[in-house]
Amino acid sequence: EAGVAQSPRYKIIEKRQSVAFWCNPISGHATLYWYQQILGQGPKLLIQFQNNGVVDDSQLPKDRFSAERLKGVDSTLKIQPAKLEDSAVYLCASSPQGVKGPLHFGNGTRLTVT
Amino acid sequence: SQQGEEDPQALSIQEGENATMNCSYKTSINNLQWYRQNSGRGLVHLILIRSNEREKHSGRLRVTLDTSKKSSSLLITASRAADTASYFCATDAGGNTPLVFGKGTRLSVIA
Repeated sequence: EAGVAQSPRYKIIEKRQSVAFWCNPISGHATLYWYQQILGQGPKLLIQFQNNGVVDDSQLPKDRFSAERLKGVDSTLKIQPAKLEDSAVYLCASSPQGVKGPLHFGNGTRLTVT
Repeated sequence: SQQGEEDPQALSIQEGENATMNCSYKTSINNLQWYRQNSGRGLVHLILIRSNEREKHSGRLRVTLDTSKKSSSLLITASRAADTASYFCATDAGGNTPLVFGKGTRLSVIA
């Protein structure tokens, strides 16, 4: 089966600019997650979707971050405006409905904010 | 927070040796999972152990879980250079709570 696809792999932007990341989960996986991984730390959940509905976005900085999964398949995460502390790897993961393990991760997008 | 904390933060061993990593957590869990992350890549699921299980094996991996001590260990036997990676534990407290990852152990296996 094809894995979780993410793009772009790398992105460098200046602070206050905007950026968007795209994720296509494994076919048939109803649950999609966006994680932020700061260098040297473990992934931190930003938002979890079940189909096209939000299950958990309690740790999403909603003043600057937004995410959508309009058709319940692929998803976009946006940051506007970006801050220096947003420099991190943004990981997308998916799992079948009702299953919290194992999660299948994409290779992530490494964001550098200068 | 139920976040798992791995110990040690970093571990360097010779090829062929065994590597042991530990994970401690704070609240009751449904299951605990271990993941591996190679440099520049996403996380890969290794093994899931449920709260009513004490030990699980998968190839060269052995995971134990002690719910009374709220701790788990991951043992990699006969390590190889390809095992060089970061290893994370993740805890699932059940219900709608998210899977929470620890900060990881960086393992270096020297050939």
